[in-house]
Amino acid sequence: AQSVTQLGSHVSVSEGALVLLRCNYSSSVPPYLFWYVQYPNQGLQLLLKYTTGATLVKGINGFEAEFKKSETSFHLTKPSAHMSDAAEYFCAVQAGGSYIPTFGRGTSLIVHP
Amino acid sequence: NAGVMQNPRHLVRRRGQEARLRCSPMKGHSHVYWYRQLPEEGLKFMVYLQKENIIDESGMPKERFSAEFPKEGPSILRIQQVVRGDSAAYFCASSPPDRSGTEAFFGQGTRLTVV
Repeated sequence: AQSVTQLGSHVSVSEGALVLLRCNYSSSVPPYLFWYVQYPNQGLQLLLKYTTGATLVKGINGFEAEFKKSETSFHLTKPSAHMSDAAEYFCAVQAGGSYIPTFGRGTSLIVHP
Repeated sequence: NAGVMQNPRHLVRRRGQEARLRCSPMKGHSHVYWYRQLPEEGLKFMVYLQKENIIDESGMPKERFSAEFPKEGPSILRIQQVVRGDSAAYFCASSPPDRSGTEAFFGQGTRLTVV
């Protein structure tokens, strides 16, 4: 079985501040991990993914995430928030051999000027 | 290469009517997923299909809901006798045959409102 927990349904930061969105997963086998972003009334767009290899993964729009097996975490970070980063962010896990991504509940990122 | 196309974008139905949601996957993609999104609840998996086959429908309600992905044409999610609780955003995603860590590509969603 696989599952995802995103800590914090809402995260509020000031423009220019560090963004940290937390994701912990549960999987009985090595997982594939994904972060997606959703803007209002839009579909989900892939930010980045981890499959194998380097545990620090860089994505679009300056985001990156680090796979930490010992902590079963895949937290998303960005050094400096921009107003345009305000959106809903979803972490997803897909365990090896499963074809179905399981999503977390999402974290709404609010960016203050 | 067009992305995943869903239509309609918005659908209003009266209680008891049928809702048909369509999804055309990206070219070359043979796997389709349907998810339902409710506020504060994230995306809930409903069904996973390949051409002409339902692979996993464990997330789909046993009654009133059905899905298909025919050899020709789009995937269809069908909701019969809709109720107010069916109001939600329904997203379709597709992926190619090679599944090794390939992400799912999402459509814009269909927002169903039951009045």
